[in-house]
Amino acid sequence: NAGVTQTPKFRVLKTGQSMTLLCAQDMNHEYMYWYRQDPGMGLRLIHYSVGEGTTAKGEVPDGYNVSRLKKQNFLLGLESAAPSQTSVYFCASSQSPRGGLTDTQYFGPGTRLTVL
Amino acid sequence: DQQVKQNSPSLSVQEGRISILNCDYTNSMFDYFLWYKKYPAEGPTFLISISSIKDKNEDGRFTVFLNKSAKHLSLHIVPSQPGDSAVYFCAASKLGGTYKYIFGTGTRLKVLA
Repeated sequence: NAGVTQTPKFRVLKTGQSMTLLCAQDMNHEYMYWYRQDPGMGLRLIHYSVGEGTTAKGEVPDGYNVSRLKKQNFLLGLESAAPSQTSVYFCASSQSPRGGLTDTQYFGPGTRLTVL
Repeated sequence: DQQVKQNSPSLSVQEGRISILNCDYTNSMFDYFLWYKKYPAEGPTFLISISSIKDKNEDGRFTVFLNKSAKHLSLHIVPSQPGDSAVYFCAASKLGGTYKYIFGTGTRLKVLA
């Protein structure tokens, strides 16, 4: 049981290049999330998904796209990378909420992305 | 507009003493709160949570207190251990919302041996 895994761990891009970050979870969770963490900013939600085939915007969605074609995978795409997207990216997943309470989110180890 | 605030970026405590980490929020619709712990080069891990129907929740050395009228929560670690040295994030969520968490900016705790 690997939990939440992220690929790659590190990446350096040039401005204008594109890339896809892959998140995979083996806990059969319905909900998946992409966050970015910047110094002094905490964790900010980029996009999330409440089930296979669904996606929704978070706090800072501009410049990113996502897809959830399979329940266990959540992909984050940067079509044209900009230096402002230099950050650490975390993926998380959670079970459907029970009893009206939001369930705990489990995080992956992060991807450190630098855009030059 | 920072809805969840952790005003102390860092805190140093002697081993064996109490660590108190604070978090304030502005949105009265928040009714579920969590603390996450993060070590360098790792993802955050869940530590403890509290629902707004409670004012205290305890799990071993960790206790979270919630003061709804002040929109304030705190995490107490007693006794503090060197392995507790990490960044601590508080997060808030709205019941019946879209299951999104709003995170604070984090407090770096250093427990001195």
